[in-house]
Amino acid sequence: QSVLTQPPSASGTPGQRVTISCSGSSSNIGSNYLYWYQQLPGTAPKLLIYRNNQRPSGVPDRFSGSKSGTSASLAISGLRSEDEADYYCAAWDDSLSGWVFGGGTKLTVL
Amino acid sequence: QLQLQESGPGLVKPSETLSLTCTVSGGSISSSSYYWGWIRQPPGKGLEWIGSIYYSGNTYYNPSLKSRVTISVDTSKNQFSLKLSSVTAADTAVYYCGRHLGTVTTCFEYWGQGTLVTVSS
Repeated sequence: QSVLTQPPSASGTPGQRVTISCSGSSSNIGSNYLYWYQQLPGTAPKLLIYRNNQRPSGVPDRFSGSKSGTSASLAISGLRSEDEADYYCAAWDDSLSGWVFGGGTKLTVL
Repeated sequence: QLQLQESGPGLVKPSETLSLTCTVSGGSISSSSYYWGWIRQPPGKGLEWIGSIYYSGNTYYNPSLKSRVTISVDTSKNQFSLKLSSVTAADTAVYYCGRHLGTVTTCFEYWGQGTLVTVSS
């Protein structure tokens, strides 16, 4: 069981907007930044969103993040076939003094 | 451009110690303000943080693995290492090394390509 909760799957058609949720608690999302990673098949995770809603250089503005209380979400607009990947949320947990991850959401582009 | 490369045996016997090294290039592991760490991913499963270290040797470990994990740093070789003792099949995973965005409470910004370690007799 992952400390952060994500839906196991999500899907959308090209051009659509999809959102992926991530819920946690006061000791992680509620008191620390939330981060999102994209993992394409057979590759290492890639940082997609940092500090709740910031995009590293090179990440398209189709990707956006938000956080409210103990929950967060990743939105992908203008869905493209190359967005098909696993997405993970992550946060520092003050109670554990360590990093916790969501179980991952597999995004399928139909 | 910072690059990290994991190295070590791909096969470890049950009850033995898994040992991996991460070699950093394109930057110094002694750079102030950056933590370095290890994450693993069992086949077909999610990500699990193992632990992180500062160049001074200060460490943070996942409480669920703490009794079996040792992370160390060798600044002269620009490397840091992972030792996981008393391994079982449940430790079979792709092991990634990475660099935090800054302090240990910031995310992993840079990742190695990962190395698969299988625990089997």
